[in-house]
Amino acid sequence: ELKVEQNPLFLSMQEGKNYTIYCNYSTTSDRLYWYRQDPGKSLESLFVLLSNGAVKQEGRLMASLDTKARLSTLHITAAVHDLSATYFCAVDQITARQLTFGSGTQLTVLP
Amino acid sequence: KAGVTQTPRYLIKTRGQQVTLSCSPISGHRSVSWYQQTPGQGLQFLFEYFSETQRNKGNFPGRFSGRQFSNSRSEMNVSTLELGDSALYLCASSLNFGTDTQYFGPGTRLTVL
Repeated sequence: ELKVEQNPLFLSMQEGKNYTIYCNYSTTSDRLYWYRQDPGKSLESLFVLLSNGAVKQEGRLMASLDTKARLSTLHITAAVHDLSATYFCAVDQITARQLTFGSGTQLTVLP
Repeated sequence: KAGVTQTPRYLIKTRGQQVTLSCSPISGHRSVSWYQQTPGQGLQFLFEYFSETQRNKGNFPGRFSGRQFSNSRSEMNVSTLELGDSALYLCASSLNFGTDTQYFGPGTRLTVL
């Protein structure tokens, strides 16, 4: 059974600081996704990572994937308040064709 | 292009009742998946439909069922509601089965009293 673990679960950080969210998964995966969820809202797709060594960046967020270590990271650079949200990683296996989500990281950026 | 739409957005039901939720995918998307989100269990996969056929099912009891219509719209039904069914139900669509990013709708918030 595929398991996806995220850490930390809760993260408070000061504006302007850098931090990394980690996502470990237990079995070989075909794709890894990062989603953002604002309170009471749906999931917004941030990144899709398809292969080992993949790196994608959008604004202050950068995601990377190491398939050998079964690890993805979401790095936040110079955080701003607007980044406050819950971030989920999710793993997709084509053979199973279902997203398995991590527990989410609730990020709060303090002024 | 319009996103995934779900109706209704909010529902209040009592135990033992049944409920039907609706999802309209992004135009041109043929695959629809359903997920349940609760504070305790997080996001869990319910099922996926493609070409009016259920292609994959998560670990939920038979009270949870769904279907997909020829226009790719999908419905899910929960019968004999239990308190634990209170959740946000999210629908996601993707272009085809087995590929592509899933795009999520706003969800239906179901409260069972």
